[in-house]
Amino acid sequence: KNEVEQSPQNLTAQEGEFITINCSYSVGISALHWLQQHPGGGIVSLFMLSSGKKKHGRLIATINIQEKHSSLHITASHPRDSAVYICAVSRGSQGNLIFGKGTKLSVKP
Amino acid sequence: GAGVSQSPRYKVAKRGQDVALRCDPISGHVSLFWYQQALGQGPEFLTYFQNEAQLDKSGLPSDRFFAERPEGSVSTLKIQRTQQEDSAVYLCASSLDRGPHEQYFGPGTRLTVT
Repeated sequence: KNEVEQSPQNLTAQEGEFITINCSYSVGISALHWLQQHPGGGIVSLFMLSSGKKKHGRLIATINIQEKHSSLHITASHPRDSAVYICAVSRGSQGNLIFGKGTKLSVKP
Repeated sequence: GAGVSQSPRYKVAKRGQDVALRCDPISGHVSLFWYQQALGQGPEFLTYFQNEAQLDKSGLPSDRFFAERPEGSVSTLKIQRTQQEDSAVYLCASSLDRGPHEQYFGPGTRLTVT
């Protein structure tokens, strides 16, 4: 079993829809990261959180430490949000990341 | 400001060749990470540097993989006697300090071994 599991693997939405991507992890963590990867492009950090909730524009990330679960929400989705969204966790003092397999999001106009 | 850069962006190597992949982290960043991303998969950790010290190389898949960061800035990942299973995107990331901090990723080097 992977240490970081994401669902769904693939997600297709219509422009304007509210989107939720889920992440569960099975290990103790020091922080959880949400990352975005465009096709052929590099990875961009969206959020790093260890408790509660963070918001940036139309993106919201939440984490429940007791349940070992995090969600990434996108409000009023737009075709430019189409990308792979990756959940990753860091453990201990080094900070190296353990990644989920990613969720491929496609937002149709 | 300049982000993390990697070179080359694409590399095609014949099986058995040695390759060297370069990473220029953001200036002043203490931590540097190398990750390997196979097609359709999430990245996997290879190795970690804190300044010039390689503190964790537990993710290197074999002794054909070697990484260095001699002056605590630029890092090189070297793969000797490349095999087809080494084909992947190699990602470098840096962060400002040690421990869990936001990581800034380079564009990656896509290695294809034929």
